[in-house]
Amino acid sequence: GAVVSQHPSRVICKSGTSVKIECRSLDFQATTMFWYRQFPKQSLMLMATSNEGSKATYEQGVEKDKFLINHASLTLSTLTVTSAHPEDSSFYICSASVIGNQPQHFGDGTRLSIL
Amino acid sequence: GNSVTQMEGPVTLSEEAFLTINCTYTATGYPSLFWYVQYPGEGLQLLLKATKADDKGSNKGFEATYRKETTSFHLEKGSVQVSDSAVYFCALSDRAGGGNKLTFGTGTQLKVEL
Repeated sequence: GAVVSQHPSRVICKSGTSVKIECRSLDFQATTMFWYRQFPKQSLMLMATSNEGSKATYEQGVEKDKFLINHASLTLSTLTVTSAHPEDSSFYICSASVIGNQPQHFGDGTRLSIL
Repeated sequence: GNSVTQMEGPVTLSEEAFLTINCTYTATGYPSLFWYVQYPGEGLQLLLKATKADDKGSNKGFEATYRKETTSFHLEKGSVQVSDSAVYFCALSDRAGGGNKLTFGTGTQLKVEL
């Protein structure tokens, strides 16, 4: 149980393109979803926390107009990287939890490469 | 603020060797502590957790004890296997289950050779 599916697993696109990444909780309803960014050989940095039906809370230094997060249902959150540039290339990982005292379940990540 | 410090890798061991990956933390209050494992190209999987002082988390032969006096949560395994090769992350959360914001260490890569 507690499976989180992230799609696509890999994206390669041209600079200036907007890219949407989906995060789905397959067998549970996620009240909270988290989006992380991981640079090569580095730790995960939390970008934002989203609760179903409300605006995402962004961490300091993360541009909310650049990284659009939508959490329209209890099983789906999306991250859209708008007008992506090479410096946005990274590994993006989502996670989901039912409520605050339950573990986060992570997706397998999306490797984004901007040419 | 909260922070987690892990020993730098990579750690290279022979199969059946003893493993220790050090982790120390700084936090206000009484955080919960976690170890996550990341296999190549994949997301993170929860390996074990401990929610209060002196708790020992264990799973798949790995274990870690929440030491409040030394603010540590070192990961150990008595006999590693090649299949244990992965990156291990120590993390803490203000919530018992970790469903709240997680603060991660930088990760330690483990390579196990035959």
